[in-house]
Amino acid sequence: DQQVKQNSPSLSVQEGRISILNCDYTNSMFDYFLWYKKYPAEGPTFLISISSIKDKNEDGRFTVFLNKSAKHLSLHIVPSQPGDSAVYFCAASEGGAGGTSYGKLTFGQGTILTVHP
Amino acid sequence: NAGVTQTPKFRVLKTGQSMTLLCAQDMNHEYMYWYRQDPGMGLRLIHYSVGEGTTAKGEVPDGYNVSRLKKQNFLLGLESAAPSQTSVYFCASSYSTGGVRTGELFFGEGSRLTVL
Repeated sequence: DQQVKQNSPSLSVQEGRISILNCDYTNSMFDYFLWYKKYPAEGPTFLISISSIKDKNEDGRFTVFLNKSAKHLSLHIVPSQPGDSAVYFCAASEGGAGGTSYGKLTFGQGTILTVHP
Repeated sequence: NAGVTQTPKFRVLKTGQSMTLLCAQDMNHEYMYWYRQDPGMGLRLIHYSVGEGTTAKGEVPDGYNVSRLKKQNFLLGLESAAPSQTSVYFCASSYSTGGVRTGELFFGEGSRLTVL
């Protein structure tokens, strides 16, 4: 049973517009959430994270929103750029800072984002 | 600074053959992980290690063994490869949890394994 789900396999947007990538989770013990970006033939790279004690975290063009009651998070990219075209993975862990999760992450299936010039 | 390095990058095996994937990190990280990525499945944790000489099972450990004899190296072994183990394997490392750095994994470039 997939505990982290990204139900949209792909997303296509125009350069300069907003990209919204969604992620749902079922495990109520998850308390730390991350987004990773992956280019072809490369490993995933960390993008942004959010703790369950927050509902929003912003870093430049990237903002992650967390709705704990709905067990839903989203990544907003504004404005989108062609270089943002990649696979985006949502991930979650239990235990957070100082916890016992040992950094183990549960990943979603990924969403392929294509930003057209 | 190389970060996380995986060897080999590509390998083709026949069913029943054995092989070892090597992961090396130069960031002095305590924790190391092996994930596999399959289409439509995301990344799934195979085994992980919280320090030199320790290993633990992840979500999909069957058919794999690991060893962490040195802090900087984490080896993933397939004793008798099966077609179901055809996948892209990613090694990752991280600082121990606690403090500012939490949950951020640093990944290698991946190793594509095909079992015929």
